[in-house]
Amino acid sequence: NAGVTQTPKFQVLKTGQSMTLQCAQDMNHNSMYWYRQDPGMGLRLIYYSASEGTTDKGEVPNGYNVSRLNKREFSLRLESAAPSQTSVYFCASSEGKGGSTGELFFGEGSRLTVL
Amino acid sequence: GESVGLHLPTLSVQEGDNSIINCAYSNSASDYFIWYKQESGKGPQFIIDIRSNMDKRQGQRVTVLLNKTVKHLSLQIAATQPGDSAVYFCAEAHEIEDKIIFGKGTRLHILP
Repeated sequence: NAGVTQTPKFQVLKTGQSMTLQCAQDMNHNSMYWYRQDPGMGLRLIYYSASEGTTDKGEVPNGYNVSRLNKREFSLRLESAAPSQTSVYFCASSEGKGGSTGELFFGEGSRLTVL
Repeated sequence: GESVGLHLPTLSVQEGDNSIINCAYSNSASDYFIWYKQESGKGPQFIIDIRSNMDKRQGQRVTVLLNKTVKHLSLQIAATQPGDSAVYFCAEAHEIEDKIIFGKGTRLHILP
């Protein structure tokens, strides 16, 4: 059972470079999320998608863009990476609306370093 | 803005004892509260949840208590085991929204 798969697991970028984090889930879930995790800051929501074709901003959306390519895939793009975006990024999915079921299924995380 | 927070960043507990991890929330409109466990190098995993119309919910070795009067949430782990070592996050959600907001986490250390 793959669950939620994120790629890449590790990435080093130079300031100003762009990259896309990929996420795919095989559980036929409707909702997908991108969080970032920094030391002492917990998990902060970047963007989420309640269904295919819709996306919404979370707590910290600046500097990021997302695409809900289809029901399975939800990508996160950094157009011009900054050192402040050094973090561990987690993708998650849930069956329904986040408020109706709190059970998010998380990927293993993508560790991004911006020099 | 409103946020979910935790009282203690680190908790050390003797193996076999019960653990209690606390969380304070500030948004009285939240309908739904969830506890997640994150082991080193992994993504968070769902432990247990509770709705705002409940005071207590029990799972396997875990109990979540909700005190709406003082906006306090706790996770009790019975007979703590080495495998319980992890960071524990509380989170809040709204029934009509899709986003779940996490607190900063408490690291649980198990002493031999």
